[in-house]
Amino acid sequence: QKEVEQNSGPLSVPEGAIASLNCTYSDRVSQSFFWYRQYSGKSPELIMSIYSNGDKEDGRFTAQLNKASQYVSLLIRDSQPSDSATYLCAVTGPSGGSNYKLTFGKGTLLTVNP
Amino acid sequence: GAVVSQHPSRVICKSGTSVKIECRSLDFQATTMFWYRQFPKKSLMLMATSNEGSKATYEQGVEKDKFLINHASLTLSTLTVTSAHPEDSSFYICSVRGVRGRGDTQYFGPGTRLTVL
Repeated sequence: QKEVEQNSGPLSVPEGAIASLNCTYSDRVSQSFFWYRQYSGKSPELIMSIYSNGDKEDGRFTAQLNKASQYVSLLIRDSQPSDSATYLCAVTGPSGGSNYKLTFGKGTLLTVNP
Repeated sequence: GAVVSQHPSRVICKSGTSVKIECRSLDFQATTMFWYRQFPKKSLMLMATSNEGSKATYEQGVEKDKFLINHASLTLSTLTVTSAHPEDSSFYICSVRGVRGRGDTQYFGPGTRLTVL
């Protein structure tokens, strides 16, 4: 059974700092990796997707993937109070069939203090 | 702009009634949609995979006769909670498997908060 593990936090950082969110996954054949942001009472919003080893940057967000270590992370630079939310790591297996289903971690609660 | 819409956003009903929730894909045709449920401070739980033109695939432990799913077109899937009870009160969220990114990217609707009295 696929498992995705995240530190539940809460992770608290000061405004302007770098927030580092980590995720490990158990299924070696996982192919696609996603970070979603979920504000309290709202639905998840896609932040980043990453498919290959290495870094992927989008604005203040950088996703890092290491398939050998089965590890994916999200860095948020210049953290803002509006970044305060729960961040969900999600993975899917090889394309096709039931592998389109997302397996979610339990999420890490991030609080950015002004 | 929004990729997925849900209606209603909030519903309060009496125990024993049925509630229908609509999920619409706004930007593209969606052969596959997913239905999730989330209880307060808990993780998203996948309930079922909705496939256009065929029967939905339910996750283990989800009663298919209680949670009826219809995916009659490429842009609309509906979830009907039949004979709702207070324990069905939850946040129901649909997602669409999209083609903007790769085919396994899911875009979530805004969710429907169901309260059963």
